[in-house]
Amino acid sequence: AQSVAQPEDQVNVAEGNPLTVKCTYSVSGNPYLFWYVQYPNRGLQFLLKYITGDNLVKGSYGFEAEFNKSQTSFHLKKPSALVSDSALYFCAVRDKENNRLAFGKGNQVVVIP
Amino acid sequence: ETGVTQTPRHLVMGMTNKKSLKCEQHLGHNAMYWYKQSAKKPLELMFVYNFKEQTENNSVPSRFSPECPNSSHLFLHLHTLQPEDSALYLCASSQDLALAGGLETQYFGPGTRLLVL
Repeated sequence: AQSVAQPEDQVNVAEGNPLTVKCTYSVSGNPYLFWYVQYPNRGLQFLLKYITGDNLVKGSYGFEAEFNKSQTSFHLKKPSALVSDSALYFCAVRDKENNRLAFGKGNQVVVIP
Repeated sequence: ETGVTQTPRHLVMGMTNKKSLKCEQHLGHNAMYWYKQSAKKPLELMFVYNFKEQTENNSVPSRFSPECPNSSHLFLHLHTLQPEDSALYLCASSQDLALAGGLETQYFGPGTRLLVL
């Protein structure tokens, strides 16, 4: 089965500093990868996805993610974090066996003013 | 807002109660989903409906019973739940499972926070 791993429970970063949220994947064949964000008391919101093409994918709210096949990673990045970026971030991969999304456990991001 | 609403937002129930969660989407989508979100665990897919037909039951206990009367509404009927069923239950929708093979964006509601005593 396809799966993703988000190794860190929480990421703390100072406002204005670069933000990185890590995700590694395990798939057979080409991966289809996604990032979603969950703000407090809200449902998940789509940020970006990688299907094919350019390894650097740009998404909403200034986020981008880099697909790295050799490292089987799809880390989410933002050059300058805002306090409003504090949220729970989920990486997901499409499971080709059933065409469903398999989500990671999520990373809590805390941006410190 | 994403166009997906869920009611109630919070629910406390005893193990012998019967309650229902409601989800409504205003996006014209044909696929709807129920997920269970527990702290520090991956999101668990419970049920999937496409054009009102259930296409997936992810080994969910029978004390959870879904209902999809039309493409815009999805219910989750609850009865004789256990304390470990306490979680955030998320509803989501997407355009059509057949069109994009699972690559389409899912739109989530705010969830129902369920506490089983």
